[in-house]
Amino acid sequence: EDKVVQSPLSLVVHEGDTVTLNCSYEVTNFRSLLWYKQEKKAPTFLFMLTSSGIEKKSGRLSSILDKKELFSILNITATQTGDSAVYLCAVATSGSRLTFGEGTQLTVNP
Amino acid sequence: NAGVTQTPKFRILKIGQSMTLQCTQDMNHNYMYWYRQDPGMGLKLIYYSVGAGITDKGEVPNGYNVSRSTTEDFPLRLELAAPSQTSVYFCASSRDSKSSTDTQYFGPGTRLTVL
Repeated sequence: EDKVVQSPLSLVVHEGDTVTLNCSYEVTNFRSLLWYKQEKKAPTFLFMLTSSGIEKKSGRLSSILDKKELFSILNITATQTGDSAVYLCAVATSGSRLTFGEGTQLTVNP
Repeated sequence: NAGVTQTPKFRILKIGQSMTLQCTQDMNHNYMYWYRQDPGMGLKLIYYSVGAGITDKGEVPNGYNVSRSTTEDFPLRLELAAPSQTSVYFCASSRDSKSSTDTQYFGPGTRLTVL
């Protein structure tokens, strides 16, 4: 059975802090790993990672994949209150199916 | 471009009732998906479709049915509602090219309560 585990499950930080969210996986037929942000509504796409060691960046957010150790991290620097959300990690396998982790609830306090 | 739309936004059902959750996308995506998300949990795949006329089971298909008669529509049917089906339901779609299939675009969700 495919499995995706995220840690921590919840995190509370102050504005300006840097956070690292973790995602590890055990799946068959790995295709890609995706990060989503969910703010009380539908998830919105952040990154898709397919190759090890290549960092993807979007503003203050960045992510990297390690296919040997089977994990990914999502970094957020200089956090803002608008970053408060649930961050979901998902792994795509053959047939374009996504298996999601439970998510990390990030709260950024002013 | 409306993207992925879902109706209704909210619904309360009694045990044993049936209903259909509607999902439509206008991006000409071949792949469509139904997920459920229970409180504090990640999303679980119910059913998916790789094109009109083709559907397949996901992780948690029991108690649900789907059909895909057109590219645009992918309705989800609950035949005998049970309290365990209380959840938020998300529909999603993705393109069919190899490089972008995995990026799924989500609808706004349907919050279903079964009492």
